[in-house]
Amino acid sequence: SAVISQKPSRDICQRGTSLTIQCQVDSQVTMMFWYRQQPGQSLTLIATANQGSEATYESGFVIDKFPISRPNLTFSTLTVSNMSPEDSSIYLCSADTGGPNTEAFFGQGTRLTVV
Amino acid sequence: QQPVQSPQAVILREGEDAVINCSSSKALYSVHWYRQKHGEAPVFLMILLKGGEQKGHEKISASFNEKKQQSSLYLTASQLSYSGTYFCGSNQGGKLIFGQGTELSVKP
Repeated sequence: SAVISQKPSRDICQRGTSLTIQCQVDSQVTMMFWYRQQPGQSLTLIATANQGSEATYESGFVIDKFPISRPNLTFSTLTVSNMSPEDSSIYLCSADTGGPNTEAFFGQGTRLTVV
Repeated sequence: QQPVQSPQAVILREGEDAVINCSSSKALYSVHWYRQKHGEAPVFLMILLKGGEQKGHEKISASFNEKKQQSSLYLTASQLSYSGTYFCGSNQGGKLIFGQGTELSVKP
């Protein structure tokens, strides 16, 4: 199993600013994933982050808006850049310890409100 | 391609049973099931793999029909703690894509 610590848990930000969300895993993982979840909606995959390579973004998400770092096998950050109220959402990081056919673990999420 | 879940919502009395379905237009290599309570992170329930292998740790059962690209989650003798939103996820090239969710409410 794995425990993921995500911070901040919530933040209220001014439009036009950026916020960096951090995720720390208590064990080494190959893949980490970033999701966005609008209230009452499903989890939408933003990007997949591998250590040592550029993140792979899903359709509708771009690196300039959501830059991701993955400096080692236990840590990743997601930055939400030049925020607008439409970026208000819950952002979750996730990892699996044994590949895609094993349990995925989630951080507790970051509730972002952009005003 | 997002899996499609049905029903979107269901209300049960304690002790009643429920079935949640998940289907995909893309080939399903494995299906994950998660439950999310309000304000919390999703929690793993079960994985169903091609070939029939199941991995899970709760008293919840599921089926996986590879040919029909469908999975069903069976909740029997529901308890109040079963309330939450249930998501199925399909493994697509190593990443997990989730269905739109099924909101389950269990009433006393």
